[in-house]
Amino acid sequence: ETGVTQSPTHLIKTRGQQVTLRCSSQSGHNTVSWYQQALGQGPQFIFQYYREEENGRGNFPPRFSGLQFPNYSSELNVNALELDDSALYLCASSLVTNTEAFFGQGTRLTVV
Amino acid sequence: AQTVTQSQPEMSVQEAETVTLSCTYDTSENNYYLFWYKQPPSRQMILVIRQEAYKQQNATENRFSVNFQKAAKSFSLKISDSQLGDTAMYFCAFAAPNAGGTSYGKLTFGQGTILTVHP
Repeated sequence: ETGVTQSPTHLIKTRGQQVTLRCSSQSGHNTVSWYQQALGQGPQFIFQYYREEENGRGNFPPRFSGLQFPNYSSELNVNALELDDSALYLCASSLVTNTEAFFGQGTRLTVV
Repeated sequence: AQTVTQSQPEMSVQEAETVTLSCTYDTSENNYYLFWYKQPPSRQMILVIRQEAYKQQNATENRFSVNFQKAAKSFSLKISDSQLGDTAMYFCAFAAPNAGGTSYGKLTFGQGTILTVHP
């Protein structure tokens, strides 16, 4: 049990809609990173948040946005959903100076 | 940009035997970390082992050990005495500090190797 929790576990949305995924980081961790994992592939880095600001971003369009709250929990927002956004979304928490990231169980998003 | 390549899409091994998973990477960084993560059907990514690039000694965690060849940019995982619970997708991953050297943010993952342990 790593202490990183994500909600919801599964979600079905229609193309064009907007979605918000949530992540509660492990106690004491000040950094949250989000990854997109397509079926049968490795996770791809979306972005990282530290001290409520974006601290690095992968090759994802601006319709992928995030927030980090004072308690270090985080949200991933995706606007104008596309079919290719269907994936497992993983959240990982860590200390900003530490390489060891602890992952949640992910949110499976299906866009129809 | 860093890349991580796992050339074995699937591997299988008999229980109690030894198996080695391969990984190569490409980077111009000199200071970085390499990882092996395990992702069972429960989907939760679990850290198996971590190697610091500046350490020549190969990391070991119980039945798991790595063969880190920095010059060849190779990082293989050896699982000894394989157990049924080792059945999972295994990912090799890379992390380097950000431009300011103040944080390790982005993990770059390989495509994964599905390992099946047979009884």
